[in-house]
Amino acid sequence: DIQMTQSPSSVSASVGDRVTFTCRASQNINSWLTWYQQRPGEAPKLLIYTAATLQSGVPSRFSGFGSGTHFTLTINSLQPEDFATYYCQQADSFPYTFGQGTKLEIK
Amino acid sequence: VQLVESGGGLVQPGGSLRLSCVVSGISFNSHYMSWVRQAPGKGLEWVANIKGDGSEKYYVDSVRGRFTISRDNAQKSLYLQMSSLRVDDTAMYYCARDLGYSHGYGLGYWGQGTLVTVSS
Repeated sequence: DIQMTQSPSSVSASVGDRVTFTCRASQNINSWLTWYQQRPGEAPKLLIYTAATLQSGVPSRFSGFGSGTHFTLTINSLQPEDFATYYCQQADSFPYTFGQGTKLEIK
Repeated sequence: VQLVESGGGLVQPGGSLRLSCVVSGISFNSHYMSWVRQAPGKGLEWVANIKGDGSEKYYVDSVRGRFTISRDNAQKSLYLQMSSLRVDDTAMYYCARDLGYSHGYGLGYWGQGTLVTVSS
């Protein structure tokens, strides 16, 4: 199975900051990488698919980059509603696997 | 768009449970459907999925042989039959539909989850 590793596990930031999260795959997954946001008590929400394509309705301050084994999610100008946990998931092969998540907290 | 899970509850170790997910407002028959779980305070774990026509099914190693995924396209429903349940199966179980017609584009639609608690 493909292992997904996210870093950092948590980060503190302020409204208006720019933050970047990293996700690494244990083998080449081309661009088959999806990012999700999960707020407490809610189901996950798809933000970005195929590494860099923004899902309809997702604000443009979110962006994704990468291919192969190294991927990043960047949020520009953090808003209060962005404080949540972010997960990457490889969609290259079954079983799909998630990273362990990065929790974004308010400083 | 609605994905509504049901069937969760409290069950003893070794017991069985059947989860259901009814989908409305989006197409169902042509898309992969998945079950994803989340133990209390933990991250997401993909459990299983099934192709639109039911011809292919995939499982995570920890549930293979104990859980069975199925679907009824006429009823726009997804199921997860869980048997030989263990304490570490305790989690919120979400059903989710692939974003695209082929796999690779992630899980674009999610239900609100149904809670399964395995305890004596």
